[in-house]
Amino acid sequence: DADVTQTPRNRITKTGKRIMLECSQTKGHDRMYWYRQDPGLGLRLIYYSFDVKDINKGEISDGYSVSRQAQAKFSLSLESAIPNQTALYFCATSEGQGKLFFGSGTQLSVL
Amino acid sequence: QKEVEQNSGPLSVPEGAIASLNCTYSDRVSQSFFWYRQYSGKSPELIMSIYSNGDKEDGRFTAQLNKASQYVSLLIRDSQPSDSATYLCAVNQAYSGAGSYQLTFGKGTKLSVIP
Repeated sequence: DADVTQTPRNRITKTGKRIMLECSQTKGHDRMYWYRQDPGLGLRLIYYSFDVKDINKGEISDGYSVSRQAQAKFSLSLESAIPNQTALYFCATSEGQGKLFFGSGTQLSVL
Repeated sequence: QKEVEQNSGPLSVPEGAIASLNCTYSDRVSQSFFWYRQYSGKSPELIMSIYSNGDKEDGRFTAQLNKASQYVSLLIRDSQPSDSATYLCAVNQAYSGAGSYQLTFGKGTKLSVIP
């Protein structure tokens, strides 16, 4: 079983719809992250959490929200999806010092 | 704005040659430096980390750090077609007093190793 599991793997939705991407981990790490990756723009941090009660905005948090339901679960929501949120989304965990472990990614397309 | 710059490539090298990947960063107080490899359609995976000036070797990979020049590089010796991937440089932007860390990634360099 994967240590960092993202669901769904692929999602196509329409503008204005609410979308939730889920992430769960079995690595026992406290730190969890959501990144998006766009061609030519690299990986950009959306939100991060260092424990259940600690949620922080990253570089590009506008239009997104997150929930840390438990140490092992961190979900990302798009309240009203728009086409420029079409991207590859990665969840990651870390035990610190920049060593990230990524999930397999969710390819999201907003039409 | 903290920045991490990489040449996007593609960088093409023949099999068996040395591939040299370069990265510069803007924040002088950066503490830790990482190289991630990302195969097409896959997620990034950590291959090297370096914290002190100088060289760090791990098998065919060598990471080099020069904090004075704000420069970090990755050398891949005896390059193989299986090394063909995008290599992401990442820099740890430590926030003083918080004990918390974020990574800033470069946009990546695509490496192609030609058989």
